[in-house]
Amino acid sequence: GDSVTQMEGPVTLSEEAFLTINCTYTATGYPSLFWYVQYPGEGLQLLLKATKADDKGSNKGFEATYRKETTSFHLEKGSVQVSDSAVYFCALRDSGAGSYQLTFGKGTKLSVIP
Amino acid sequence: DVKVTQSSRYLVKRTGEKVFLECVQDMDHENMFWYRQDPGLGLRLIYFSYDVKMKEKGDIPEGYSVSREKKERFSLILESASTNQTSMYLCASSTGGTGELFFGEGSRLTVL
Repeated sequence: GDSVTQMEGPVTLSEEAFLTINCTYTATGYPSLFWYVQYPGEGLQLLLKATKADDKGSNKGFEATYRKETTSFHLEKGSVQVSDSAVYFCALRDSGAGSYQLTFGKGTKLSVIP
Repeated sequence: DVKVTQSSRYLVKRTGEKVFLECVQDMDHENMFWYRQDPGLGLRLIYFSYDVKMKEKGDIPEGYSVSREKKERFSLILESASTNQTSMYLCASSTGGTGELFFGEGSRLTVL
């Protein structure tokens, strides 16, 4: 079945540091890939997505490139801020007929200190 | 702005009680989902629904049931709550094409 593996946290960075959160996946078809973010006390919200190989999703300074050859979708940001402290989830939606649901990774907690 | 609203942010119930968690979306989405979120386990799908009165089991349906009588409302029911159902419950909705899920703020349930 489908699965998503992301690096375990927690991750603690200083403000303005470079961020990478690794995500790899296993899927039977041609999935769409997503990064969701959960700020403290809130639900999840979509951060970015990519629907086919070599697509790059970007939002709020975050980027991730859909790499089919390495089955990866790593999240990066060049300079993190304290306000980026949150839990980040990688997810996929397979391309099969009737694929309504997303499969999520376990989440990576990021703490950014001033 | 799109909105998924969960009826209760925090609930405390006793073992054996029947628990209803309500979720309403205002986006006319066909699909609705219930997940539970636990530390170290991420999000796990309990049930989902792709149409009114339709439901499908997710990965961990045991001990739960759902109801979808209207398109905008999806209810999660714990017939007899147990302590291992203490968790954060997240409702989400989506429309068919994009796959993007819109989440509510979550309902934190404690079963004593």
